Amino acid sequence: AQKVTQAQTEISVVEKEDVTLDCVYETRDTTYYLFWYKQPPSGELVFLIRRNSFDEQNEISGRYSWNFQKSTSSFNFTITASQVVDSAVYFCALRGGLYNNAGNMLTFGGGTRLMVKP
Amino acid sequence: DGGITQSPKYLFRKEGQNVTLSCEQNLNHDAMYWYRQDPGQGLRLIYYSQIVNDFQKGDIAEGYSVSREKKESFPLTVTSAQKNPTAFYLCASTRTRNQPQHFGDGTRLSIL
Repeated sequence: AQKVTQAQTEISVVEKEDVTLDCVYETRDTTYYLFWYKQPPSGELVFLIRRNSFDEQNEISGRYSWNFQKSTSSFNFTITASQVVDSAVYFCALRGGLYNNAGNMLTFGGGTRLMVKP
Repeated sequence: DGGITQSPKYLFRKEGQNVTLSCEQNLNHDAMYWYRQDPGQGLRLIYYSQIVNDFQKGDIAEGYSVSREKKESFPLTVTSAQKNPTAFYLCASTRTRNQPQHFGDGTRLSIL
């Protein structure tokens, strides 16, 4: 069984603060993919990043960075110098069973609502 | 532009009525998915389809039905058997196994 936990249901910060969204996952698979999606108020999910379990390198993309730690089963997301436009719900997701998940199914965490105030 | 189109954006259902949510994609993706999102919760998989004329139940398929007669289209019917249909429904598609899923804008379904 797979599980993704986003313990922070809601975070509120003031613009320009740094903020980290936590994601902890459980899987018995040795190979898997992790994803982060952003859901703005309009509703659609926007893909942010994919990371496979073989690659533990951290990644930075502009103000966004991701810290993947296999030892603690965590894939945390940091926004540096947050902006009002970052306000959204952020979902972490896991795709396990690289060789027996033919449906490419994702397990989502419950999401973290980020509110950035001006 | 390529993408996923869901319609309608808002839908109201009367008691005992079946309603159908549309999902169309022009991304040439093989696999398509339907998710349900309840307030403050994550996404739960209703049905998915890997190829035309084939689909599989997800975690919460009861009270829903789907069809996949064309690669581009994956409509979801919310039947009267679904006793708590009020939710936000998201359709997604993906090209290959390890690629990210792309999502539509969603349909918000409410009970009249």
